[in-house]
Amino acid sequence: RKEVEQDPGPFNVPEGATVAFNCTYSNSASQSFFWYRQDCRKEPKLLMSVYSSGNEDGRFTAQLNRASQYISLLIRDSKLSDSATYLCVVTTTSGTYKYIFGTGTRLKVLA
Amino acid sequence: GAGVSQSPSNKVTEKGKDVELRCDPISGHTALYWYRQRLGQGLEFLIYFQGNSAPDKSGLPSDRFSAERTGESVSTLTIQRTQQEDSAVYLCASSLDRGMGPQHFGDGTRLSIL
Repeated sequence: RKEVEQDPGPFNVPEGATVAFNCTYSNSASQSFFWYRQDCRKEPKLLMSVYSSGNEDGRFTAQLNRASQYISLLIRDSKLSDSATYLCVVTTTSGTYKYIFGTGTRLKVLA
Repeated sequence: GAGVSQSPSNKVTEKGKDVELRCDPISGHTALYWYRQRLGQGLEFLIYFQGNSAPDKSGLPSDRFSAERTGESVSTLTIQRTQQEDSAVYLCASSLDRGMGPQHFGDGTRLSIL
């Protein structure tokens, strides 16, 4: 089992739709959680950190469920510019400290 | 500068040549990471530096790959006797400390081996 798993997609949604992605992690001792966005042929950019109580940034809402070991990202009122790959990142201290990246979920917002 | 800086942006070289890639982390960030990303694939961890501690080299794919970092400053990733399968984007990231907050990435170096 991979340490961090994401549905690769693609998720094709119309403009204005609400879309949600989940990311599961295997290490119950994982400490920090982040969502990154990666555009084609560009570097990953931090979208938001994920806090235990859940957090919101404009149209984006992130949730953490420690009991079920997953994090989620909700995007409301999708824009064409939201089209990208969304990477889930989990930090873990299994032996050595690492940031573990999921392989990403591809989102296409259609006009 | 405010962000992670990498150079060169693009590098095209012949198979068998050595290449050196440079990363300048965000000032004050003690942790520095190198990743490789092949076209259409996810990030592949290569090596991690934390202050003056011994680096975590567990991701380096072969002994042709090496990296150095002096203190908390610039890092260089060297690939010797390049092969075509080394063609990829090499990304550098830094963070405040080990596990302290998110990583911030540079623009990457796009390496093409002819």
